[in-house]
Order: sequence, then C-alpha cells, then structure tokens
Amino acid sequence: EVQLVESGGGLVKPGGSLRLSCAASGFIFSSYSMNWVRQAPGKGLEWVSSSSSSSSYKYYADSVKGRFTISRDNAKNSLYLQMNSLRAEDTAVYYCARHRVDDSSGYLPPTLDYWGQGILVTVSS
Amino acid sequence: DIQMTQSPSSLSASVGDRVTITCRASQSISSQLNWYQHKPGKAPKFLIYAASSLQGGVPSRFSGSGSGTEFTLTISSLQPEDFGTYYCQQSYSPLVTFGGGTKVEIK
Repeated sequence: EVQLVESGGGLVKPGGSLRLSCAASGFIFSSYSMNWVRQAPGKGLEWVSSSSSSSSYKYYADSVKGRFTISRDNAKNSLYLQMNSLRAEDTAVYYCARHRVDDSSGYLPPTLDYWGQGILVTVSS
Repeated sequence: DIQMTQSPSSLSASVGDRVTITCRASQSISSQLNWYQHKPGKAPKFLIYAASSLQGGVPSRFSGSGSGTEFTLTISSLQPEDFGTYYCQQSYSPLVTFGGGTKVEIK
C-alpha cells in the first residue's frame, strides 16, 4: 500500500525557515517523480514544486521560486521542501504527492495519484 | 503559465441528480487534464486522468470528457458521499496549474 506521511510543519515567524519531510513507503520511491502541493485557508489547491526521480529536473511555482528548494533522498525514501524567507501568504496545508507514472520513459508533467494527509505550516508573528 | 478556469464555483444538487462541472484551459492542452475530489481534512482523491480515463476504484458514475481547451466532469447520479470540492489540473506543462475548484453540496 502506497503511503506518504508529511512532517516538519508548525508555526514560524515571517522571514523564518522550515523544512518539510515526506516519508514514502509501499512503492519504489527512486523510480517516481514527486511533488508538493499546498492549500491556503479558504483557497484552492496550488502546486508548489516537482522533482524528477533522480533530481535531474526540478520545477517551482513562481510564488516560491528562489525561496523554496525541493530535494529528495532516495536511500531514505524521503522527499523534502526547504522553505526560506517565509511569508504570511505561505500559510497553508502542504501535501506531498506522487506522479502516477514512473520515470522510465523520462520526466512527464504530473498526474498525482497518491497524496499524503498534509501538514500545516503557519507563518505568523 | 496555463490558466485553468472552472465553472460553476459552487453548486447544490439533490441525490440522484446529474451534475456537470466545466474546466477551460487558456491554451490547448490536448487531453492532458486530470480531476480530483477534495473533502475537508482529507487528502485529495485522484479521479480521472487524460481527460476521460477513470482511475481504478473510482465509481463509474464519474466520467470525464473533452480535449483542447474545454473539459467536463460529470457525475451521472449524485450520491451523498460525493460532496466536496472538485479540481481540474493540467498535466500538459511541467508548471502545473489547478482550476479554482467547484464546491459540490448535497441538498
């Protein structure tokens, strides 16, 4: 059974940093691209970032480019999101999600078949 | 970036009703369109990929159609458990975009 479990959320002051983790199990993590998606309070889903299986390709939303960094450790079956220079508008539930298709045919834009339960990040003074 | 626009933003329907949600892309995305259902406090659920292919385990009352810039999600006979917010998402560009969502309420 595919499982994705986020951790590392919490309360942080504006300008601060936080690192989210996503622990994956039930599939060959090193074969799949992975993603972060967020939902701010009262808002819709917003894609944040994607990483290919080997970390060769990384993509970011304009709203986080230059402040957030996606990374992964395939030996630990883990995905990360380093969030720096946090702003109030980054307050959201952050979800880790898997690409539906593995990277055997190259990187494809994501269809997200499995999602974690989400972790809350609150940026406030 | 490709903009995705959903309509309506919300609807209320009775059990057994046929419900249709529309999603429009700002440019052609071929059939690279996915649909998700999201309930409060839960992980989003993946429903349909490539505009019309049903993900395994999703009830057959859900269906998708369209190509190019206009797409629809149809629930043929609305059930009580179908409440929630539905999102379309384009998988044509690596810079992913979601529609604004359609909130479905049961009368």
